Order: sequence, then C-alpha cells, then structure tokens
Amino acid sequence: SQKIEQNSEALNIQEGKTATLTCNYTNYSPAYLQWYRQDPGRGPVFLLLIRENEKEKRKERLKVTFDTTLKQSLFHITASQPADSATYLCALDINAGNNRKLIWGLGTSLAVNP
Amino acid sequence: NAGVTQTPKFRVLKTGQSMTLLCAQDMNHEYMYWYRQDPGMGLRLIHYSVGEGTTAKGEVPDGYNVSRLKKQNFLLGLESAAPSQTSVYFCASSGVRGLEQYFGPGTRLTVT
Repeated sequence: SQKIEQNSEALNIQEGKTATLTCNYTNYSPAYLQWYRQDPGRGPVFLLLIRENEKEKRKERLKVTFDTTLKQSLFHITASQPADSATYLCALDINAGNNRKLIWGLGTSLAVNP
Repeated sequence: NAGVTQTPKFRVLKTGQSMTLLCAQDMNHEYMYWYRQDPGMGLRLIHYSVGEGTTAKGEVPDGYNVSRLKKQNFLLGLESAAPSQTSVYFCASSGVRGLEQYFGPGTRLTVT
C-alpha cells in the first residue's frame, strides 16, 4: 500500500543543537516534496519545497534533503531555538492517474528546550 | 495583506443542522482547497477549486458541498451535519496547483 511516514514520537532537543526530522514514503514517485510547520491551534505554514531532481535545498537555518532512491526526505533545523518548537508536516506531490495529488504525513512534534 | 481568512473560528451544531464556512484570500490565487484535520488522520482534502466557477472532489467529499462564485472566496457547506463531521477545517490557497499552500487559521466544528 502507499503511505508516508514521519516520526510518530516527539523529538526533544537542546537549544542550539540541530534537529533532524524524517519523512519516509513507499510506492510513490513524487514530483515534489514540501515541508510545513504547524503550531497548536493554527493552520500549517509552508517552509520549503524540493523537486525530485534536487538533492538539497536550504533556507536560512533550514535544510531539506531528498533521496528518491531511499524514498526519504530529511528536514534539518540548525542552531535550534525554543521558537522552533512546533509540529512539522511533510507532503508529497504525486501523479495519481490523470491528476496530481498531495499526500500529507501526520507530522512530527519538535520541542526545543532552553 | 490578510492572507487567508476563515469564518467562523468556532461553531457547535446539532445533528441535522446546516452551516456554511467561508474562506477568503487576497493573494489572487487560482487554487483553493478545503481540508479537515483529525487526530491520527492528518490533513484530508475535501474539495478543491482550480479557478473561479470550478470545483472538484477531493479525498473525502461526502456530506459537503462547495462553491467558488468569486475568485477570492471558497465556501464549504454542510447540508445536514453529522457527529462524524466534528473536526478542524482548514482552507488553503496557492498560486500553483498543490504547491506552497497558504492556510487559514481554521474552524473548529463540533457536531453533537
């Protein structure tokens, strides 16, 4: 079956360390992979998009890698801060027949401790 | 720019009642979406629109209807609410289909 998996357990790290979140998928050939941040009681906020032919994308303290052979994306936050505490969602853009479809992961909760 | 706004923020309905959720965006986006988010289920697409006057079914469309009479507005209707429709509803818009979506703050709906 087709599925997308993110770490279900919350990730707790110390301020200043690098947080690494994982998004694994099976049986898809995504054209794009996106990462969003969601704070409690709020809507998701778009962070980064990476295309299937890109290995890595950076934006300020954020870095995303995309390995289509391993079917995995890693999301890194360097020099993490307590304000980075949130749930992070990955979303795959795939071709489903004649349509494109966005498949969402359940998200990983990140807590950055001061 | 306000981005994407949703009204109302909270609502409690009795089974069988109807209501309309309003979504508005001021970014001139062609694409708009309605999602529901439930614990353990993630975001699920209810309906979407690829432009003014168009609507299409998403993953979980049953029990919902939508309209996009103006480019900036996307309405989600529940004709006869059921307890299974208790959820948080998010509207989103994007300039490119499916990508870089901007989300509203959400509507928390409880059906008793």
